[in-house]
Amino acid sequence: DSGVTQTPKHLITATGQRVTLRCSPRSGDLSVYWYQQSLDQGLQFLIQYYNGEERAKGNILERFSAQQFPDLHSELNLSSLELGDSALYFCASSVGGQAIYGYTFGSGTRLTVV
Amino acid sequence: GQQVMQIPQYQHVQEGEDFTTYCNSSTTLSNIQWYKQRPGGHPVFLIQLVKSGEVKKQKRLTFQFGEAKKNSSLHITATQTTDVGTYFCAGTSNSGYALNFGKGTSLLVTP
Repeated sequence: DSGVTQTPKHLITATGQRVTLRCSPRSGDLSVYWYQQSLDQGLQFLIQYYNGEERAKGNILERFSAQQFPDLHSELNLSSLELGDSALYFCASSVGGQAIYGYTFGSGTRLTVV
Repeated sequence: GQQVMQIPQYQHVQEGEDFTTYCNSSTTLSNIQWYKQRPGGHPVFLIQLVKSGEVKKQKRLTFQFGEAKKNSSLHITATQTTDVGTYFCAGTSNSGYALNFGKGTSLLVTP
């Protein structure tokens, strides 16, 4: 157990639907990062939150959004889902707001869009 | 934007052989980190390198950061079946907040 909790572990949904992925960071970590992992694209950075505020944005589609709540847990919302959104979505956390701290990853949510 | 490239994409070795993966960045990095992801698992932080020319060792693993801080390598001596997995390098530029990951090198070790 890495200390980063992601739910659900698996999600199967139809095209056009909307889903929410949840992440609880490791105790004491203020930053949450979302990454998408697919076979051909590797780990793609989506978005970072630090202590409730959006800190950095990567290759996140407009159909995707995220937020970090006062208790520091984060949610990634994916809407108007397409087949190509099928991937493993990882959440990671770190104590600081910059990429000079090692990340602790959760076990991921495997999303399958059918 | 900053890109981190890794080679090779795949490597298949016999147990006991050495293994090296290389990481190159299009821009100067402020630091570089290495992660290992076992099959079916999640990436696990191995190490961070910060200084130009830095070399760090963890048992059979040797990590190097290039003098220009644009490349790095991970060398495993005498591989074991427990080394199987995908090794990722990840870096950021001085102004970066989040890590950019390479696509990883998948290592397969056969006994």
